[in-house]
Amino acid sequence: DTGVSQDPRHKITKRGQNVTFRCDPISEHNRLYWYRQTLGQGPEFLTYFQNEAQLEKSRLLSDRFSAERPKGSFSTLEIQRTEQGDSAMYLCASSFAEGSYNEQFFGPGTRLTVL
Amino acid sequence: QKEVEQNSGPLSVPEGAIASLNCTYSDRGSQSFFWYRQYSGKSPELIMFIYSNGDKEDGRFTAQLNKASQYVSLLIRDSQPSDSATYLCAVNQGREDMRFGAGTRLTVKP
Repeated sequence: DTGVSQDPRHKITKRGQNVTFRCDPISEHNRLYWYRQTLGQGPEFLTYFQNEAQLEKSRLLSDRFSAERPKGSFSTLEIQRTEQGDSAMYLCASSFAEGSYNEQFFGPGTRLTVL
Repeated sequence: QKEVEQNSGPLSVPEGAIASLNCTYSDRGSQSFFWYRQYSGKSPELIMFIYSNGDKEDGRFTAQLNKASQYVSLLIRDSQPSDSATYLCAVNQGREDMRFGAGTRLTVKP
C-alpha cells in the first residue's frame, strides 16, 4: 500500500500525559501536513513541512504542540500535557506540489481521546 | 464570515437523482479548489479538484467554479446509496494550508 499511513489509529490518554503520533507520507511526496478535525467540522490546519523544514504553523498550534520531520521522511506530532480539549481526530496529509497546485492526500487519522 | 461556507445539510436525494453541493469562499485570491468525500469515522478522500473557471467532469462527478461569484459546486449524477457521506469543500488561498468548510452531509435513499 503506497498511501499515507498513521500510527496509532486510536489513542486514549489521561489529562496531563504526553502523546506522540507518527505519519508516513506517500514516498515521492515532498510536503506533509497536520490537521485536526472535531465532530461536525472540517479539518483545521496545524502545520506544514516541505522536506524537513517546518514552513508554517497555525496560530491554533499552542506551545504544547510540536512537530518534526527528520530527514524529510516520516513526521511526528507530539502533544504535551494533554487537555480534554485536545480530543479530536489528528489527520496527516501529503502532497507533491509545484506552484499553486497542491492536491493533498490524507492518511486514516489518529483519534485521540483525553480523559 | 467564515472563509469557506457550506450548507451543513442533510441533503437527501433519491437514488439515481442529481445531487448538487455548494460552497462559497471569502478570499478572492483563492487559486485552487477541492472536493473531498468523508465517510463517517474515516478520513477525507480527494474526489475532484478544479483550478479554472467553468466545469470539470470526472465520471459521475462535475465540479463547477465561478471565481467572480466566489462559488464552487459539485454535481453527482446518478447518485448511489454508496455516495452517502459528508462532502468537504477545500480552498487553497495561495498559502500552503488549505481551508475547509464544515461539510455537507448527503444521504442517497434507495
